[in-house]
Amino acid sequence: GNSVTQMEGPVTLSEEAFLTINCTYTATGYPSLFWYVQYPGEGLQLLLKATKADDKGSNKGFEATYRKETTSFHLEKGSVQVSDSAVYFCALSDRTGANSKLTFGKGITLSVRP
Amino acid sequence: EAGVAQSPRYKIIEKRQSVAFWCNPISGHATLYWYQQILGQGPKLLIQFQNNGVVDDSQLPKDRFSAERLKGVDSTLKIQPAKLEDSAVYLCASSLDQLYNEQFFGPGTRLTVL
Repeated sequence: GNSVTQMEGPVTLSEEAFLTINCTYTATGYPSLFWYVQYPGEGLQLLLKATKADDKGSNKGFEATYRKETTSFHLEKGSVQVSDSAVYFCALSDRTGANSKLTFGKGITLSVRP
Repeated sequence: EAGVAQSPRYKIIEKRQSVAFWCNPISGHATLYWYQQILGQGPKLLIQFQNNGVVDDSQLPKDRFSAERLKGVDSTLKIQPAKLEDSAVYLCASSLDQLYNEQFFGPGTRLTVL
């Protein structure tokens, strides 16, 4: 079955530090890949997505590249801000059939200190 | 545009009691999802509706959980009777349709079973 593995957390960084959050996946076929973010007290929000190999998703300074050869979709940001403190989830959606459910990783908590 | 609405936001019950959650998706969204998010884990799909029909309920514990979307708009998720392990956040999401469209999440209902 499909699965998503995220690096263990939590992660604590100083403002303006470089961020990498690792994500690898197992899936049949060619899934779409997503990063969702959950800010404190809020619902899940789509941060970025990529639908095919070598696609790069980007939003709010975050980037992730769909790497089919390493089955990875690592999230990066060059300079984090305090406002980036949140829980980040990597997810995939199987592109086969009518079922478009998301399979999520466990999530990782990012804390950015001033 | 209004987002996905859920109620209640919090619920505390004793084991063996019943509980119901309500979700109002974004207007015009045909696909509705219920996810269960246990503390420290990513959300797990319980059931997916396309209009008022069920697309996937393979991970719904049908001996105690039920869900309906009678008119293809609002949905309710019920647990009867609740167990301690049902303590979780229950997330509702909706999308325009089931084909690779972005899922928009509500704020969730936090259930505590004592």
